[in-house]
Amino acid sequence: EAQLVQSGAEVKEPGDSLKISCKGSGYRFTSYWIAWVRQRPGKGLEWMGIIYPGDFDIRYSPSFQGQVTISADYLINTAYLQWSSLKASDTAMYYCARLASEGLSNWFDPWGQGTLVTVSS
Amino acid sequence: DIQMTQSPSSLSASVGDRVTITCRASQDISNYLAWYQQKPGKVPKLLIYAASTLQSGVPSRFSGSGSGTDFTLTISSLQPEDVATYYCQKYNTAPHTFGQGTKLEIK
Repeated sequence: EAQLVQSGAEVKEPGDSLKISCKGSGYRFTSYWIAWVRQRPGKGLEWMGIIYPGDFDIRYSPSFQGQVTISADYLINTAYLQWSSLKASDTAMYYCARLASEGLSNWFDPWGQGTLVTVSS
Repeated sequence: DIQMTQSPSSLSASVGDRVTITCRASQDISNYLAWYQQKPGKVPKLLIYAASTLQSGVPSRFSGSGSGTDFTLTISSLQPEDVATYYCQKYNTAPHTFGQGTKLEIK
């Protein structure tokens, strides 16, 4: 059974850098796209971007382009989401999710458990 | 990019009621539409994909319909455990945009 396990909650100060992770298991990591989704407190789901670990093809939402970096290491079956300089507005729950089948035109299943990022001085 | 608009944003209904949530795409997305349920403090859960295919394990009181630009999620008989926020998502191409969500409460 495919599973995604995310890294633990983070508390950071504005201006800090951060890299959170999403480790896949139970499937061929290089054959499925992995997406990142933001959910600010009390708000809806926002699609941030997506990566294909097989060839490192990455697509960003225009809203997040330049604000975050998505990457992956297929040797350890892990995708990453990173910030170079956090802002208070980055405070949110971040989910990774795998596309259900091979190919970009697929729904999200499974999801990781989420990583809560809190940015506060 | 294609925009996804859900209505209503929130709704309150009684146990046993038939509940319908709609989702409209700003362009034709064929049947590349999924519905997710998110209970408070929990991870989103896939309910329906391909507009009308029920995910394994999801109760049969949930159903989806539509194609092109207009879609609906229906709960045939609302149960207390259905209290959640429901999201539609288009996935024909990136970005896989979500609707803004519909918060469902029990009256």
